[in-house]
Amino acid sequence: AQSVTQLDSHVSVSEGTPVLLRCNYSSSYSPSLFWYVQHPNKGLQLLLKYTSAATLVKGINGFEAEFKKSETSFHLTKPSAHMSDAAEYFCVVSALPSGNTGKLIFGQGTTLQVKP
Amino acid sequence: SAVISQKPSRDICQRGTSLTIQCQVDSQVTMMFWYRQQPGQSLTLIATANQGSEATYESGFVIDKFPISRPNLTFSTLTVSNMSPEDSSIYLCSCGQGTHEQYFGPGTRLTVT
Repeated sequence: AQSVTQLDSHVSVSEGTPVLLRCNYSSSYSPSLFWYVQHPNKGLQLLLKYTSAATLVKGINGFEAEFKKSETSFHLTKPSAHMSDAAEYFCVVSALPSGNTGKLIFGQGTTLQVKP
Repeated sequence: SAVISQKPSRDICQRGTSLTIQCQVDSQVTMMFWYRQQPGQSLTLIATANQGSEATYESGFVIDKFPISRPNLTFSTLTVSNMSPEDSSIYLCSCGQGTHEQYFGPGTRLTVT
């Protein structure tokens, strides 16, 4: 069965410093992985996706994530945090093999706080 | 990407009543889904809304409590029936079109008193 574990429930950084949000996954086949962001009182926005192409995935707003099969990880990074990055971030794995649209399994979320 | 709208955006309801949430997509999509996000929690899939047939429910969710309709490829409704305070959550609609990622609506914030 597929699952994701977000290793930090809360991350606090200063504006202008790097961001690292950690995610480990478990999958019985080659997974499709996603990062979504949820700003307060807003819907979910897709940041980036990995679907068995390049292992380093670039997303919107300067975020990127690297798929590491050997470590079963898909950590989200950004070189320099901005105040507007403060939000809830979800690591997500698809329950179906790549190429199929179906059930998404969400991690528990990481709250990113950005201090001035 | 698809643009999804939901109505209502929020509501406060009394226990024992029912609320129907509408989800409209700006283009035809293959798949539509309904999720629940309880306060301070992550998202959990309620069901897959199938066009022209009964919805497929996840473990722990039943049709009598969460009846779903999907009359065409752009529209779906979720009803929360016989509500109790434990049903207070954000309900989100999403859609997918074969490329794997899903796009989400803004959600409906439901409070049951």
